[in-house]
Amino acid sequence: DAGVIQSPRHEVTEMGQEVTLRCKPISGHNSLFWYRQTMMRGLELLIYFNNNVPIDDSGMPEDRFSAKMPNASFSTLKIQPSEPRDSAVYFCASSPDRVGANVLTFGAGSRLTVL
Amino acid sequence: AQRVTQPEKLLSVFKGAPVELKCNYSYSGSPELFWYVQYSRQRLQLLLRHISRESIKGFTADLNKGETSFHLKKPFAQEEDSAMYYCALGNQGGKLIFGQGTELSVKP
Repeated sequence: DAGVIQSPRHEVTEMGQEVTLRCKPISGHNSLFWYRQTMMRGLELLIYFNNNVPIDDSGMPEDRFSAKMPNASFSTLKIQPSEPRDSAVYFCASSPDRVGANVLTFGAGSRLTVL
Repeated sequence: AQRVTQPEKLLSVFKGAPVELKCNYSYSGSPELFWYVQYSRQRLQLLLRHISRESIKGFTADLNKGETSFHLKKPFAQEEDSAMYYCALGNQGGKLIFGQGTELSVKP
């Protein structure tokens, strides 16, 4: 298994543009998490899914952010419109549903820069 | 509410010195505590979890429910321990939240 796969690894965009980040979790993992990492706030949980259903999106900053998980092997995090303060590294992680729950495997992250 | 606090953003020690990275948590239920580590240019990865009561790379952490703490300790720091360390708190629902992280710098 290649682990959790995220794309793109780096994204530079201009303010106002739409940004879509993608994630492929580990096969068989039923929970998927999106985190944002900044120097000021560390790792913030944005949203997590269980069996493709959003369980807790209380960490999503505002309506500009949305996340979907149309099937067990794919999730997207979208920012529309993007702003400079959205610049951060966005991590996707997945975990098994029962055994090992709460033990996350992380992707390499998507570094977003909004100019 | 679930909350994790790591009071130190940066901890700098010399090689061979003891290390303690502090972590305090707030949670009304039965907590699951973890330490994750991110080495330079590598992915964030699990270091240890409290229910395993194990020592990984010489690091240990004891859950103290009275003080709501889960400090990470190592008696003799090595240069290769330099990394970003995150304390994390999980609940029965599978939600895992992290502290702000502590950067450990071990100098030669």
